[in-house]
Amino acid sequence: GAGVSQSPSNKVTEKGKDVELRCDPISGHTALYWYRQSLGQGLEFLIYFQGNSAPDKSGLPSDRFSAERTGGSVSTLTIQRTQQEDSAVYLCASRAQGLSEQFFGPGTRLTVL
Amino acid sequence: SQQGEEDPQALSIQEGENATMNCSYKTSINNLQWYRQNSGRGLVHLILIRSNEREKHSGRLRVTLDTSKKSSSLLITASRAADTASYFCATVSGSNYKLTFGKGTLLTVNP
Repeated sequence: GAGVSQSPSNKVTEKGKDVELRCDPISGHTALYWYRQSLGQGLEFLIYFQGNSAPDKSGLPSDRFSAERTGGSVSTLTIQRTQQEDSAVYLCASRAQGLSEQFFGPGTRLTVL
Repeated sequence: SQQGEEDPQALSIQEGENATMNCSYKTSINNLQWYRQNSGRGLVHLILIRSNEREKHSGRLRVTLDTSKKSSSLLITASRAADTASYFCATVSGSNYKLTFGKGTLLTVNP
């Protein structure tokens, strides 16, 4: 089937605005992850979903960041009141139950002006 | 947070040569994986080595793991221009299988 898809591929926003980033995982993959990649911080884990629940939110950098997953499928990462330091590529990955390999989407490049 | 360091940070070789990248990490692991990234976008899984394994092969890739030194290496043999990319090691330590990445090696293979 199709791989992991993310939308939009690029997002330019003004400081203070809210943004929503979407991830469609591979069908049947129960685990879903969000990561962030920036020049200064490298690749960082943000949040992990198993089904619709998020047992590990330890990587979310502030309470401006939230995420949800519905129907055990699509996930949305929301950043409220965006700041310039939020500029990064946001990557989503999914994983099949019992396996360790993760499949990544192409990412959303977020630029906060 | 980053798990550890990769070296070199950048590597430039000629087609046909072998490329070796190293990765160090800090905590005990379940497994270590290598990923490839083209043009700063999605990552592609290359190979996984479990903590009880010492060496693994996949095509032109060879991975070694030394848990006593908390280090791993990725060897790409007979490199091609199409191998030009960034390569990241990532460790898995917990039951949620989240990846903790190294800083990556930028490999350039010149035709």
